[in-house]
Amino acid sequence: KAGVTQTPRYLIKTRGQQVTLSCSPISGHRSVSWYQQTPGQGLQFLFEYFSETQRNKGNFPGRFSGRQFSNSRSEMNVSTLELGDSALYLCASSLNRVNYGYTFGSGTRLTVV
Amino acid sequence: GQQVMQIPQYQHVQEGEDFTTYCNSSTTLSNIQWYKQRPGGHPVFLIQLVKSGEVKKQKRLTFQFGEAKKNSSLHITATQTTDVGTYFCAGPRSGYSTLTFGKGTMLLVSP
Repeated sequence: KAGVTQTPRYLIKTRGQQVTLSCSPISGHRSVSWYQQTPGQGLQFLFEYFSETQRNKGNFPGRFSGRQFSNSRSEMNVSTLELGDSALYLCASSLNRVNYGYTFGSGTRLTVV
Repeated sequence: GQQVMQIPQYQHVQEGEDFTTYCNSSTTLSNIQWYKQRPGGHPVFLIQLVKSGEVKKQKRLTFQFGEAKKNSSLHITATQTTDVGTYFCAGPRSGYSTLTFGKGTMLLVSP
């Protein structure tokens, strides 16, 4: 079966711009979580979506937002980009909210210049 | 808030040597999971431990969950170059289903 698909794989943006990242979970998986990975901070939780509702949110500013569609696909948006937003953004899907292990996508590498 | 700490941050071994990484949580965990991320890749789920004192093996990898369900370890016997990568432990955030990840242990294996 197809894995978790994240697009685009790479992005270069300028400070102040905004960006939208997309994640298509494994078919049948209803829970999607987003993480930011940087060398210094490791994997930081951004948010979790289940049945089109944001269930949990990490400690990130309001510039970071997301949504989930009825087909479980999810998007995250970062507005007014800062240099510190440069990171690998990972999407993880799981069957439901009881966690039996995440399947991660390959990530979107965002570089802000 | 909940913290998950891993040691060491980095370890370099010769092929054939053993390797162990340790994970400690500031709170009791309902379960603990381990992931491996190869250089340039994404985290891949290895295993989940649920029971106090649980020990599971996957070939040369042995995973343990502490009696108090606050710590865990991953031991690799006779490392191979294919074991290179960063190993993360992760536990559910208190009261939530989402995971808090440790910062990982980077393993480098020289032939």
